[in-house]
Amino acid sequence: SQTIHQWPATLVQPVGSPLSLECTVEGTSNPNLYWYRQAAGRGLQLLFYSVGIGQISSEVPQNLSASRPQDRQFILSSKKLLLSDSGFYLCAWRDRGRYEQYFGPGTRLTVT
Amino acid sequence: EDQVTQSPEALRLQEGESSSLNCSYTVSGLRGLFWYRQDPGKGPEFLFTLYSAGEEKEKERLKATLTKKESFLHITAPKPEDSATYLCAVQASSGTYKYIFGTGTRLKVLA
Repeated sequence: SQTIHQWPATLVQPVGSPLSLECTVEGTSNPNLYWYRQAAGRGLQLLFYSVGIGQISSEVPQNLSASRPQDRQFILSSKKLLLSDSGFYLCAWRDRGRYEQYFGPGTRLTVT
Repeated sequence: EDQVTQSPEALRLQEGESSSLNCSYTVSGLRGLFWYRQDPGKGPEFLFTLYSAGEEKEKERLKATLTKKESFLHITAPKPEDSATYLCAVQASSGTYKYIFGTGTRLKVLA
């Protein structure tokens, strides 16, 4: 069966520090991968999606970036965090033969 | 513009008191409508996919239905463990990979 992992689970970082969040999927090949941010009282905001290794589409211009170095690995990064980057970050995957997404456990990021 | 609106924002039910959650959508061609359950501090858990008007899906006390403009998530005889936020999302058939999410309905079932 398929499994999706995210780490770390929680992170507290100072403003201006770098960020690296990692997501890996097991049990599937060549999935579509997504990064979302969820703020309290708001819907999930799509940040990036990827249809293959090295193929990244950005939905929101900001100081975040994403990379997909391997088929089932998706990384969210920032060189300098802002206070507004605080939130709950979710990674999701989708099998190419189906339409539903499956989400990871999330990372709670607090920028201080 | 593609849009998803969920109502009510919050709902409190007594155990056993059935009710429905609403998801209204505007999309340029529907590829699929999705329901998720999200517990506090966790990622959304997939519940159902609906593809066309008239379709229904059931799982335990939950039943999802779809019309051309909205979807309902019916909860029959809910239990306290059904307390969660329920999210609705749509994907347009316009060839994009994007999903549009509603802001969710926070359900609290009291014992």
